[in-house]
Amino acid sequence: AQSVTQLDSQVPVFEEAPVELRCNYSSSVSVYLFWYVQYPNQGLQLLLKYLSGSTLVESINGFEAEFNKSQTSFHLRKPSVHISDTAEYFCAVMSGGATNKLIFGTGTLLAVQP
Amino acid sequence: GAVVSQHPSRVICKSGTSVKIECRSLDFQATTMFWYRQFPKQSLMLMATSNEGSKATYEQGVEKDKFLINHASLTLSTLTVTSAHPEDSSFYICSARWQGNYEQYFGPGTRLTVT
Repeated sequence: AQSVTQLDSQVPVFEEAPVELRCNYSSSVSVYLFWYVQYPNQGLQLLLKYLSGSTLVESINGFEAEFNKSQTSFHLRKPSVHISDTAEYFCAVMSGGATNKLIFGTGTLLAVQP
Repeated sequence: GAVVSQHPSRVICKSGTSVKIECRSLDFQATTMFWYRQFPKQSLMLMATSNEGSKATYEQGVEKDKFLINHASLTLSTLTVTSAHPEDSSFYICSARWQGNYEQYFGPGTRLTVT
C-alpha cells in the first residue's frame, strides 16, 4: 500500500529565510508526486508535480521539489519565503494504476513570521 | 482553465436532515470525480470515486447509504449527506479530472456544520 509521510506538522520561519518541507513516500510501483497548497477555508491548489523526466520541478512562485527515488523523497524548498506563503502544504502520491487515487500526507503548516 | 466549483460554500443544517453538495466542472468534461473529507487541521481523506454514469466506489469505512454520490453528467456530481449528525460536520472537497489526465482539479470546498 502507498503512504506519504510529512514529518513536520508545522514549520515556523522568518520572512526571506529559506525553507524545506519534507515528504517521504512508500510505494512498490512507479509513482507520480504532487505538492498542493491550501489557504484557510479554501480548496487545494496544485503547486507542482513530478510525473516523469527531470527530477527537479519548479513552480511559478519560486518553489521547487526534487524527486529522489533512492531516498523515496520529494522535499519542497524555497530559497526565500514571503508572508504570503503562509499556508498548509500537502504532499501527495498517486500510483500509475487505473484508479488514479491520490494519497495525501498529513500536511505541514508553513508559518512565515515577519 | 480546469475550474471546479462547489455549492454551497457553507451550509448549516439540523441533526436528522439531509444536505446536498454540488460539484461542477466548469470548463471541461469530468469523467471522474472524487469526494474528500477534511477534519480540522488534518489531511484529506478520500471518501469515494465516481465515474460518469456509474455507481460510485466508496473507500473502506465510508457508509454508502449515508453519503450518497451521484455523477449523472460529465459536469456535475452531487454528494448527499443523509440524516446528518454533528459528527458529520466537516469540510468536504471534490476534485475532478478528465480521461487520460492524471491531474485532479479541486473545488473550493464546502463547510458543513450540523447542529
